[in-house]
Amino acid sequence: AQTVTQSQPEMSVQEAETVTLSCTYDTSENNYYLFWYKQPPSRQMILVIRQEAYKQQNATENRFSVNFQKAAKSFSLKISDSQLGDTAMYFCAFSSNFGNEKLTFGTGTRLTIIP
Amino acid sequence: EAQVTQNPRYLITVTGKKLTVTCSQNMNHEYMSWYRQDPGLGLRQIYYSMNVEVTDKGDVPEGYKVSRKEKRNFPLILESPSPNQTSLYFCASSLSRGTGQPQHFGDGTRLSIL
Repeated sequence: AQTVTQSQPEMSVQEAETVTLSCTYDTSENNYYLFWYKQPPSRQMILVIRQEAYKQQNATENRFSVNFQKAAKSFSLKISDSQLGDTAMYFCAFSSNFGNEKLTFGTGTRLTIIP
Repeated sequence: EAQVTQNPRYLITVTGKKLTVTCSQNMNHEYMSWYRQDPGLGLRQIYYSMNVEVTDKGDVPEGYKVSRKEKRNFPLILESPSPNQTSLYFCASSLSRGTGQPQHFGDGTRLSIL
């Protein structure tokens, strides 16, 4: 079974700084998908970024980018020029290429942006 | 507007009183799923459905039932709720199988079982 580990339960950073959230995962599969979801205090689950494992290129979405290291099974999220609206819980998630499209989630990192 | 709609948003009830949380999506998605979110555990899958009349257990199915009679609806049923089912519940849907399409989540239902 796949597992996803987020080792930083909480982080804080000054507004406008850059912050990196860590995520590691375990799988025996070669093709799969990785995601970062943001959960603000409103508790909605909002997709931040998606990475396909068979693509070497790291995904980027505006101020958000990932460092995908397939051999190390690492998938970190970098937030540049952090804004107050980035304050949220961030979840890393894994999805297999086969069968049930279940998302396997990490336990989350609570990120606080300090004014 | 494309969305997944859950109702109710909040519910406080008592042990043993049957309840249903509704979920509806307007994106013609084949795949739908229920997750529960608990502190320190992230989100865990309860049940999922690949299409109409096709449902299967996720990782934590005990105490729950689902049905998929129509493509757009996927209700979660707690026949005899217990306090350990107090949690935040999310319904999600996505377009197709095995292509890693992002799942769209509802706004969540906070259930408190006393």
